[in-house]
Amino acid sequence: AQSVTQLGSHVSVSEGALVLLRCNYSSSVPPYLFWYVQYPNQGLQLLLKYTSAATLVKGINGFEAEFKKSETSFHLTKPSAHMSDAAEYFCAVSDRGNTGKLIFGQGTTLQVKP
Amino acid sequence: EADIYQTPRYLVIGTGKKITLECSQTMGHDKMYWYQQDPGMELHLIHYSYGVNSTEKGDLSSESTVSRIRTEHFPLTLESARPSHTSQYLCASSDRVNEKLFFGSGTQLSVL
Repeated sequence: AQSVTQLGSHVSVSEGALVLLRCNYSSSVPPYLFWYVQYPNQGLQLLLKYTSAATLVKGINGFEAEFKKSETSFHLTKPSAHMSDAAEYFCAVSDRGNTGKLIFGQGTTLQVKP
Repeated sequence: EADIYQTPRYLVIGTGKKITLECSQTMGHDKMYWYQQDPGMELHLIHYSYGVNSTEKGDLSSESTVSRIRTEHFPLTLESARPSHTSQYLCASSDRVNEKLFFGSGTQLSVL
């Protein structure tokens, strides 16, 4: 069975500081991995996805994530936080045969302080 | 920009009422999904469909039902709402080639 664990339900950073949101997965088969963002009162939006090409994946809004098989991790980073990055971030995993059936982590709320 | 719409955006209703949450997409996607999300909790898949007349239950057991009579429409129905059904319900769709999911803005349901 697949599962996702997001370490830290709340992360607070200062504007301009590094953003690091942690995600560890468990999967018996090579997974697809995703990061989604949910801004207040909006639906989920795909930030980036890993589908077995390059292990360092670049997404929208300056975010990137690195797939590390040895650590079963897919942490999300951004070099310099912006106020507009404040949102809820979800890590998700799916198997390669059915990418619509995503297993989501419980989410991390990112707060950006001025 | 994603063309997937959910109505209503908010719904407050009394126990025992029958409700239908609407979800429509204009992208011609075959696959559609319903997720349930409680505050601070992960999303759970409750229903999905791979095309017209195809519906399956998801990983989380739900008392709701769905139908897929038209490609663009995937409504979710609760025959008798209860306070335990209070949650956010997110609809999503994707096509067969590109696995990218498009999400609606969600319906926040409160059952009193």
